[in-house]
Amino acid sequence: KAGVTQTPRYLIKTRGQQVTLSCSPISGHRSVSWYQQTPGQGLQFLFEYFSETQRNKGNFPGRFSGRQFSNSRSEMNVSTLELGDSALYLCASSLKQDSWNEQFFGPGTRLTVL
Amino acid sequence: AQKITQTQPGMFVQEKEAVTLDCTYDTSDPSYGLFWYKQPSSGEMIFLIYQGSYDQQNATEGRYSLNFQKARKSANLVISASQLGDSAMYFCAMREGTGNQFYFGTGTSLTVIP
Repeated sequence: KAGVTQTPRYLIKTRGQQVTLSCSPISGHRSVSWYQQTPGQGLQFLFEYFSETQRNKGNFPGRFSGRQFSNSRSEMNVSTLELGDSALYLCASSLKQDSWNEQFFGPGTRLTVL
Repeated sequence: AQKITQTQPGMFVQEKEAVTLDCTYDTSDPSYGLFWYKQPSSGEMIFLIYQGSYDQQNATEGRYSLNFQKARKSANLVISASQLGDSAMYFCAMREGTGNQFYFGTGTSLTVIP
């Protein structure tokens, strides 16, 4: 069974631009969560989607948004990029919304904002 | 207050020895789950072990065991017979019953010395 895939793996953008990251969950998984990892703030929860609906959201500004499609694939969008948005963005999938011990992470997308 | 605290930024262990990585947590929710993840330099988060707040016995998964002390709110990870491939960042995380997001600690960098 294929794992969680994230594209692209690396991305370089400049301040003010916008970016879209993609996450394909494990086949059959319907819940997708997004996390931001930075050296300063560590791992922080962004949001979770289940059945195309955002179920939970972390403490991030409105520039960070996401969506989930009917095939459970998810995209995350960051508009008006700032230098501080440089981070590793991790996506995780689980079978259902409350799968406490079944959350599998993808390899991440490393975003660099210049 | 921090939900998850990992006080050891870096740890060294001799190959084949056991090592304990510390984790304390803070929650008033009686229902919660505790997790340990391994993050190699490649960036992918690898699930290691899970402990539920109502579980009576400490969780074990191969060479990994979780020393769960509920009254002290600690969930230390014990790795037995360390291997060179165990060198990585290790993150403790918690999920509360009332919410759907994970709270991560700042991580412990483990280096296994041959």
